[in-house]
Amino acid sequence: DADVTQTPRNRITKTGKRIMLECSQTKGHDRMYWYRQDPGLGLRLIYYSFDVKDINKGEISDGYSVSRQAQAKFSLSLESAIPNQTALYFCATAGLAGVGEQFFGPGTRLTVL
Amino acid sequence: AQKITQTQPGMFVQEKEAVTLDCTYDTSDQSYGLFWYKQPSSGEMIFLIYQGSYDEQNATEGRYSLNFQKARKSANLVISASQLGDSAMYFCAMRAFSSSGSARQLTFGSGTQLTVLP
Repeated sequence: DADVTQTPRNRITKTGKRIMLECSQTKGHDRMYWYRQDPGLGLRLIYYSFDVKDINKGEISDGYSVSRQAQAKFSLSLESAIPNQTALYFCATAGLAGVGEQFFGPGTRLTVL
Repeated sequence: AQKITQTQPGMFVQEKEAVTLDCTYDTSDQSYGLFWYKQPSSGEMIFLIYQGSYDEQNATEGRYSLNFQKARKSANLVISASQLGDSAMYFCAMRAFSSSGSARQLTFGSGTQLTVLP
């Protein structure tokens, strides 16, 4: 089984709808992240969390919110989706060991019509 | 502020040849780490190699090596003996540490699409 899972893998929704993307991990990592990927722009950080009680805004948090329900779960919500939120969304985790590399989930492709 | 620049949107290489993917970075922090990730067409992000700013030797991982030139602020990825399965998007990323020791967040470049030709 994958260490970092994301649901759903693909989602098509309409403008104004509320959407939740979920991330679960079995790596035992405290640190979790949400990124979005747009063509030509690389990955940009939306929110990150170092533990259940610690939530921080990233570079592009406007229009998004998150919830860290447990060490293993980190959800991203779009309260009122808009077309320019169409993107590939990645969840990632990192531990304190090693060089701190992040481990990514498979991604969620979101389309907002 | 941290910045990563990848100036090659696309690169082509013949199978079995070596290829260098460019990455330059900008940070005012003295301590930082540089990462390379691979993203195949299937979409997942795969960690390849890491170089710390105080590492005296260039990092190597199998066919991947990192040509780290600190004075030039460059951290180019070298892939030797390219294989068809190396065709993917490659991202350079950096995480710096402030003078107080706290880690800044990972900053990614825009990526280079590598195509390996048979």
